[in-house]
Amino acid sequence: EVQLLESGGDLVQPGGSLRLSCAASGFTFSIYTMTWVRQAPGKGLEWVSSVTGSADYTDHTDSVKGRFTISRDNSKNTLYLQMNSLRAEDTAVYYCAKARTTTVPRDAFEIWGQGTMVTVSS
Amino acid sequence: EIVLTQSPGTLSLSPGERATLSCRASQSVSSNYLAWYQQKPGQAPRLLIYAASSRATGIPDRFSGSGSGTDFTLAISRLEPEDFAVYYCQQYGTSPRTFGQGTKVEIK
Repeated sequence: EVQLLESGGDLVQPGGSLRLSCAASGFTFSIYTMTWVRQAPGKGLEWVSSVTGSADYTDHTDSVKGRFTISRDNSKNTLYLQMNSLRAEDTAVYYCAKARTTTVPRDAFEIWGQGTMVTVSS
Repeated sequence: EIVLTQSPGTLSLSPGERATLSCRASQSVSSNYLAWYQQKPGQAPRLLIYAASSRATGIPDRFSGSGSGTDFTLAISRLEPEDFAVYYCQQYGTSPRTFGQGTKVEIK
């Protein structure tokens, strides 16, 4: 069974840092593009960052560029999101998601984790 | 950035009725890379439709997607009780991969 399990969410002060993890199982992790999507309380979905299977290409939404870094360790089947200089507006549930296939350069998000909550507040 | 505008914001229908949800893009969606997701309270989103009209694995055939370019539609032929949820469209052909603001389908 394909599974994604996020962890690392916490309450952090503005300006602080946090690293999220997403443990993958049930599929060949190293060949799939992986993505982080967030959802602020009561709001819609927002794409945050994506990384290709070999990690040769990463992409981030403008509001997190220079503050967040997506990475992966294919030997551990784990996706990461390093978040620095956190702001109140980063408060959200953060989901990791797996691309549907490897046969197209970009694809929809087929499998999602249950999410981990990040709260940025003093 | 491609802005996706979903309408209506809320759709009030009864079980058994047909639902039609709209998603309009501010510019043409590359390769019709348009997806639809369903989200229920407290749950992660679930992929329904990809590439504008292809159903994801395990999705019932009462869900159908159509459209191209800038105008896309998700139709639910006969609403089942479990279909009452929020639906999001998303374009993934161009960075940033944007989502619409969502349409809530509620029980009338």
